[in-house]
Amino acid sequence: SQQGEEDPQALSIQEGENATMNCSYKTSINNLQWYRQNSGRGLVHLILIRSNEREKHSGRLRVTLDTSKKSSSLLITASRAADTASYFCATAPWGSSNTGKLIFGQGTTLQVKP
Amino acid sequence: ETGVTQSPTHLIKTRGQQVTLRCSSQSGHNTVSWYQQALGQGPQFIFQYYREEENGRGNFPPRFSGLQFPNYSSELNVNALELDDSALYLCASSLRLGQYTDTQYFGPGTRLTVL
Repeated sequence: SQQGEEDPQALSIQEGENATMNCSYKTSINNLQWYRQNSGRGLVHLILIRSNEREKHSGRLRVTLDTSKKSSSLLITASRAADTASYFCATAPWGSSNTGKLIFGQGTTLQVKP
Repeated sequence: ETGVTQSPTHLIKTRGQQVTLRCSSQSGHNTVSWYQQALGQGPQFIFQYYREEENGRGNFPPRFSGLQFPNYSSELNVNALELDDSALYLCASSLRLGQYTDTQYFGPGTRLTVL
């Protein structure tokens, strides 16, 4: 079963605009990660945020985490056509440090139009 | 490029057959996890191998089994294939230090079609 739920399921924007994707989850977590997937290929790790962190930046990416609301958001600024992909949040449930299990949501499909 | 490789890229099997998928982990990593991704869905955790032993399993039947070798590469075996086993199978390697597992790096996947 999926723990994370991404919102929206699909997003279409113009190049240069910002894209925001949200993720909600159900149980306590050790960390939350965001991945990108192009056309059904392998997943590319974007960023990891730990449960004691509230915000993290990496290049044009900004991730926030609100553990009280069990939610996270991914902001991509100044989007490019190459950002077109599916984006997944994945949670490492608390106590899973021995299993390395990640629970993925169903993803947000982002289309960036040139 | 993550350095994680998987073979084969694509595979077509018929119902009832058995299949073996292979994964070579990134240099320096000691842990391999396997995920199943059905079309339009997020990946689902199958199991993880650490030090050649299964270390955590998702909600998959025993006909899904695996191995990890001394060089940390891994195999996923699926017996008695069913139509619903058609999916993209992803392996991910990571470095586990003590009880903590670091970021998982995914391979390109194997696309399995069961007819």
